[in-house]
Amino acid sequence: DSGVTQTPKHLITATGQRVTLRCSPRSGDLSVYWYQQSLDQGLQFLIQYYNGEERAKGNILERFSAQQFPDLHSELNLSSLELGDSALYFCASRGDLYSGNTIYFGEGSWLTVV
Amino acid sequence: KNQVEQSPQSLIILEGKNCTLQCNYTVSPFSNLRWYKQDTGRGPVSLTIMTFSENTKSNGRYTATLDADTKQSSLHITASQLSDSASYICVVTLYNTDKLIFGTGTRLQVFP
Repeated sequence: DSGVTQTPKHLITATGQRVTLRCSPRSGDLSVYWYQQSLDQGLQFLIQYYNGEERAKGNILERFSAQQFPDLHSELNLSSLELGDSALYFCASRGDLYSGNTIYFGEGSWLTVV
Repeated sequence: KNQVEQSPQSLIILEGKNCTLQCNYTVSPFSNLRWYKQDTGRGPVSLTIMTFSENTKSNGRYTATLDADTKQSSLHITASQLSDSASYICVVTLYNTDKLIFGTGTRLQVFP
């Protein structure tokens, strides 16, 4: 158990809909990352937050947005969903920005858009 | 361009055999290099982290090596087990940042 909790574990929704994925980082971890992994593909970086502030942005679509709350949990909002958004979405956390820290991944949220 | 390439893309070995996975990177300068193991449908799990000044790091039957001059790393798995079947991902951190650059992984299958 990495200590990073993601909900829901599985989600099936229709095209055009909006969903929210939630991530609770390890206790005390300030930095949260979101990644997308499509079937048999590598991890694609979406966005990173540090202590409530957006720190870095990757290949995140305008239809997607995220935030990190004062209690450090984070949410990834996906709207106007398309079939191609079906993927495994991972959240990861680490204690601070020291580059040598281990980054811990959650078990992911499986999103299927039908 | 900062890239991380892994080879082979996939690998099949018999239980008990050793294998070596390769990671070549163009990230420069870099802070550290990580190897992760990802079981199908699960989150990646950290195996090793090496700074640019380290040459080798072990974690049980997993041994990672790093040659910063040639920008190559390898992950050696000794006496493979069925549970080693997974994707192995090489990740390099850009120096003085927390930006992670992921390789696309090597998919290892261990058969009895």
